Amino acid sequence: GNSVTQMEGPVTLSEEAFLTINCTYTATGYPSLFWYVQYPGEGLQLLLKATKADDKGSNKGFEATYRKETTSFHLEKGSVQVSDSAVYFCALSDNAGNMLTFGGGTRLMVKP
Amino acid sequence: KAGVTQTPRYLIKTRGQQVTLSCSPISGHRSVSWYQQTPGQGLQFLFEYFSETQRNKGNFPGRFSGRQFSNSRSEMNVSTLELGDSALYLCASSPQGDNSPLHFGNGTRLTVT
Repeated sequence: GNSVTQMEGPVTLSEEAFLTINCTYTATGYPSLFWYVQYPGEGLQLLLKATKADDKGSNKGFEATYRKETTSFHLEKGSVQVSDSAVYFCALSDNAGNMLTFGGGTRLMVKP
Repeated sequence: KAGVTQTPRYLIKTRGQQVTLSCSPISGHRSVSWYQQTPGQGLQFLFEYFSETQRNKGNFPGRFSGRQFSNSRSEMNVSTLELGDSALYLCASSPQGDNSPLHFGNGTRLTVT
């Protein structure tokens, strides 16, 4: 079956530091890949997506590249802000409806 | 445009009772999915409805059921509640077909005592 593994948190960074959150996946075929973000007390918001190999998704300074050869979709941001503090989820869809398989989530804490 | 609305926001129930949660999708969205979020198991897919038909189902016992109405609003029901059903239940809607971005509500926090 499908699975997503992401680095455990919490990840604690100082403002303006570089962020990487690792995500690897197991799936048959060619899944679509997503990063979602969850702020305290809220539901999930789509951050970015990529639907085929070598696609780069980007939004709000975050980016991730779909690497089929390494089955990875690592999230990066060059300079984090305090407002980026949240839980980040990597997810995949095997293109059969809207059923997502999520990783365990990574809590990011950014200190001023 | 109003977002995905879930009611109620919080619920406290006793073991053995049943509960119904409601979700109103974004206007025009025809797909509604439900997810359970717990600290131990993370986010797990419950089921998806599209045009009143269940399209996908996750690995949950039959105590968990759902339905979708002709206006795309959806309800999920949990019968014979167990302590382990305590969780945040998230509803998500999307316009139509596969891989449309999901728009999540803020969830219903269910506590079973």
